Amino acid sequence: KNEVEQSPQNLTAQEGEFITINCSYSVGISALHWLQQHPGGGIVSLFMLSSGKKKHGRLIATINIQEKHSSLHITASHPRDSAVYICAVRSVIGQGGSEKLVFGKGTKLTVNP
Amino acid sequence: NAGVMQNPRHLVRRRGQEARLRCSPMKGHSHVYWYRQLPEEGLKFMVYLQKENIIDESGMPKERFSAEFPKEGPSILRIQQVVRGDSAAYFCASSRTIKETQYFGPGTRLLVL
Repeated sequence: KNEVEQSPQNLTAQEGEFITINCSYSVGISALHWLQQHPGGGIVSLFMLSSGKKKHGRLIATINIQEKHSSLHITASHPRDSAVYICAVRSVIGQGGSEKLVFGKGTKLTVNP
Repeated sequence: NAGVMQNPRHLVRRRGQEARLRCSPMKGHSHVYWYRQLPEEGLKFMVYLQKENIIDESGMPKERFSAEFPKEGPSILRIQQVVRGDSAAYFCASSRTIKETQYFGPGTRLLVL
């Protein structure tokens, strides 16, 4: 079982719809990241959060530490939002002993005009 | 302030050759991370370096792979005697401190023929 699970794997929406992508994790974390990977492959960091809620433009990220769950919301979705959205947690995991990012497999979002 | 730079963006090697991937972190960032994204899979941590030191290499294959971050110049991920299974996108990220947001480079797409 992966330490970070995302749902759904694929999501198709119509322009203007409200989008929610979920992330659950099973390890102790110091922070959670939401990343966006465009078809060209580049990765952009959208949010880093350790509690509560953050908002940037049409994007909102929330985290519930007790439930080990985070959501990424996109309001008024647009075709340019089409991308893979990746949840990653920062955790001390593995043999190296340092905090490192552990990634979910991503949610592929397609927004149709 | 230029972002994280990686070169080359695309690299083609034949089996048995060496691949050398370079990463220049953002100005002021002394923490560098390498990740690998295999086709149809999520990102995986490989190695975490600070200037002249490998902090955590627990994600690196034990053989053929090495990384360095010298006092001067970019971080280098070196893959000796490449095999087809090494074909992947290799991303570098940097941060000012381990607790702060990591900024990703555009990646190097390695294809082993």
